[in-house]
Amino acid sequence: SAVISQKPSRDICQRGTSLTIQCQVDSQVTMMFWYRQQPGQSLTLIATANQGSEATYESGFVIDKFPISRPNLTFSTLTVSNMSPEDSSIYLCSVGKDRGFTYGYTFGSGTRLTVV
Amino acid sequence: DAKTTQPPSMDCAEGRAANLPCNHSTISGNEYVYWYRQIHSQGPQYIIHGLKNNETNEMASLIITEDRKSSTLILPHATLRDTAVYYCIVRGRFGNEKLTFGTGTRLTIIP
Repeated sequence: SAVISQKPSRDICQRGTSLTIQCQVDSQVTMMFWYRQQPGQSLTLIATANQGSEATYESGFVIDKFPISRPNLTFSTLTVSNMSPEDSSIYLCSVGKDRGFTYGYTFGSGTRLTVV
Repeated sequence: DAKTTQPPSMDCAEGRAANLPCNHSTISGNEYVYWYRQIHSQGPQYIIHGLKNNETNEMASLIITEDRKSSTLILPHATLRDTAVYYCIVRGRFGNEKLTFGTGTRLTIIP
């Protein structure tokens, strides 16, 4: 399966600032997904990122708050903008269909964000 | 909304089989049942998937009822490292369809 490197693994940020999370994959993948996991909750999909096109956001998530870049088939970033304490969550990237592992999705280990 | 229903929590004794149920009564004919688990502080991990036949791999077995409205994930000899939240997910066959997570079952393996 694909190997995902997600950075940073954790951060503590001041409210009103922004944080950019990076997701690097060791192979070319078609789709990348960004999820949020609030404390004690399940995973919620933020957006789907295709290379060369605008990300597709789920209901309740907007580009101004969570801008996403997907410059190539192995890399994506998620920015959490103008942060508030309510943004404190774990953010995870995931990759879809890729060579050698077509059935299951692979997840990064997540970025644990605390906003103070 | 998630298409599956799972019990919120279960306990299982170490060394015994853990049987995790999942209801997916609205599953359509081309949708698969997937199981993932999330060990504390890690990203979700793929376990197994199936369409209508029972499946087994090195991690677990998946039993799907004949009407496909429910399934059971079986961990044959549970260890303490199997303590995790287990998610049952229904999705289409093709690789780029998004995963929608429900609330899952928190499985605790008791020594």
